[in-house]
Amino acid sequence: EDQVTQSPEALRLQEGESSSLNCSYTVSGLRGLFWYRQDPGKGPEFLFTLYSAGEEKEKERLKATLTKKESFLHITAPKPEDSATYLCAVRSMDSSYKLIFGSGTRLLVRP
Amino acid sequence: KAGVTQTPRYLIKTRGQQVTLSCSPISGHRSVSWYQQTPGQGLQFLFEYFSETQRNKGNFPGRFSGRQFSNSRSEMNVSTLELGDSALYLCASSEGGGSLETQYFGPGTRLLVL
Repeated sequence: EDQVTQSPEALRLQEGESSSLNCSYTVSGLRGLFWYRQDPGKGPEFLFTLYSAGEEKEKERLKATLTKKESFLHITAPKPEDSATYLCAVRSMDSSYKLIFGSGTRLLVRP
Repeated sequence: KAGVTQTPRYLIKTRGQQVTLSCSPISGHRSVSWYQQTPGQGLQFLFEYFSETQRNKGNFPGRFSGRQFSNSRSEMNVSTLELGDSALYLCASSEGGGSLETQYFGPGTRLLVL
């Protein structure tokens, strides 16, 4: 069965303190890995899509990387406005029509 | 382009009632998917529509149903509401629903069942 596990569940950082969020997956053939950001009371906001191991994408203070078993979301010098829940989702060969989500990492960046 | 819109944003219903939620996808997008988000289960897939046809369905009881119109707008219906149906219902759209496409989410409808 396809599975996505995110760690840590929650992360507190000081402004400027860089860190990484982890998303490990077990799927029957990865079709794509997606990162979303979700603010309280809002829908997930798309950040990145990664398709193959070794791929990297960057946007402002965020950088996503992908290996054959996991993905990392690196946050460099975070600001309080980066506080949110970060969700990882995959599409697999067996269930390519839907996204399978992890439980998310709640990030709090203190000024 | 305007994003995915969902109405209403908030709903309060009582057990046994039924509810209809609406979703308008991004202009030009023909695939609409619905997800349920709860604190305990996270985001779970309900169903997906493309060109007015339900192509895929998740593991939810038959009380959950949906449809898509010719303009790609979609509705989902939950009949005989139960307390456990309280959740954030999210709609997502993509251009053609292909497995490599990104899904873009709306703001959600928060449903509270009393």
